Amino acid sequence: TQLLEQSPQFLSIQEGENLTVYCNSSSVFSSLQWYRQEPGEGPVLLVTVVTGGEVKKLKRLTFQFGDARKDSSLHITAAQPGDTGLYLCAGGGSQGNLIFGKGTKLSVKP
Amino acid sequence: DTGVSQDPRHKITKRGQNVTFRCDPISEHNRLYWYRQTLGQGPEFLTYFQNEAQLEKSRLLSDRFSAERPKGSFSTLEIQRTEQGDSAMYLCASSRKGQGGRETQYFGPGTRLLVL
Repeated sequence: TQLLEQSPQFLSIQEGENLTVYCNSSSVFSSLQWYRQEPGEGPVLLVTVVTGGEVKKLKRLTFQFGDARKDSSLHITAAQPGDTGLYLCAGGGSQGNLIFGKGTKLSVKP
Repeated sequence: DTGVSQDPRHKITKRGQNVTFRCDPISEHNRLYWYRQTLGQGPEFLTYFQNEAQLEKSRLLSDRFSAERPKGSFSTLEIQRTEQGDSAMYLCASSRKGQGGRETQYFGPGTRLLVL
């Protein structure tokens, strides 16, 4: 069974701090996706990482895919209140679906 | 491109009632997915369609759940004899294969169901 474990589950920080959240699995994924979800809304895709060791940047967000394609991390520099939300990682499942982790709930206080 | 839309956004029902949700995918997306998300969890796969064919179903999809996509465009998800455990956010996503065979799923805003 393919599982994605995300850590930490909750993170509360002050505006301007840096943070990293992790997504780990014992399975190899051909790609991993990161989504951000706000309360009462559907997940919104941030990035897809495909190649082992790949690093992608989206403004203050840096995404890395592990060399073995079993893990990924999301680093946010100088977090802002607008970054508050649930960050989900997801990988392709055997049924053509996405398998999601439980998410990291981030709160950035002004 | 108006995005994936879902209707209704919220539904409150009494235990034992039937409910039906609708999803309109992004036009020309041939794949449509249904997921369920409960509090503190990530979305969990329920079923998916390629055009009008329902190709996969999760074990989470009990006999009380049925999904259709009659003309390969919009889809409906019906829950019969609702139970309190059915309370969740029901998410729809659509996709099509892009360059290199890669597929990106775009999610709708979800339908939040509360069963009393």
